Amino acid sequence: EVQLVESGGGLVQPGGSLRLSCGASGFTFSNYAMSWVRQAPGKGLEWVSVISASGVTNYADSVRGRFTISRDSSENTLYLQMNSLRAEDTAVYYCARASGSGMGSGYYKTNWGQGTLVTVSS
Amino acid sequence: DIQMTQSPSSLSASVGDRVTITCRASQSISNYLNWYQQKPGKAPNLLIYAASSLQSGVPSRFSGSGSGTDFTLSISSLQPEDFATYYCQQSYITPRTFGQGTKVEIK
Repeated sequence: EVQLVESGGGLVQPGGSLRLSCGASGFTFSNYAMSWVRQAPGKGLEWVSVISASGVTNYADSVRGRFTISRDSSENTLYLQMNSLRAEDTAVYYCARASGSGMGSGYYKTNWGQGTLVTVSS
Repeated sequence: DIQMTQSPSSLSASVGDRVTITCRASQSISNYLNWYQQKPGKAPNLLIYAASSLQSGVPSRFSGSGSGTDFTLSISSLQPEDFATYYCQQSYITPRTFGQGTKVEIK
């Protein structure tokens, strides 16, 4: 059974940093692209970032230059390093597994974690 | 970026009703359109991929159609467990934009 478990969320001050982790099990982690998607309180889903199985990355404009996605296949873990955090980054952050290894057209998110809440506030 | 617009934003329906939700893309996305269901406090769950393919384990009362810019998600006979928010998402290009969601409520 595919399982994704996020951790690392919490309360951080504006301008601060946080690193989220997503532990994966039940599948060959190194074979799949992985994504982060966030949801502000009471709002819709917002795609944040993706990393292919080979390590190619892409970001939403709203986080580019501040967030860094990475993966460690030896630990079966996905990461999201978040720097220069702003109030508008407050959200539940979900990791999701893609249907394949790349970032090309057609890949969709087959499995999601339960999410971890990040609150940016002074 | 490709804008995804869902309609309606919310709807009220009764158990047994047929429900249709529409998603429109700001440019052609072929059939690279996916639908997710999200219940309160839970992660999204994949229902339909590639516009019309039913994800394994999803009840057959869910169906999707469309291509190009216009897509629909239909629920043939609404069940109590279907009251949720539904999102479309394009997987044509990054950023993988979502629609704003359609909340299906009990009438």
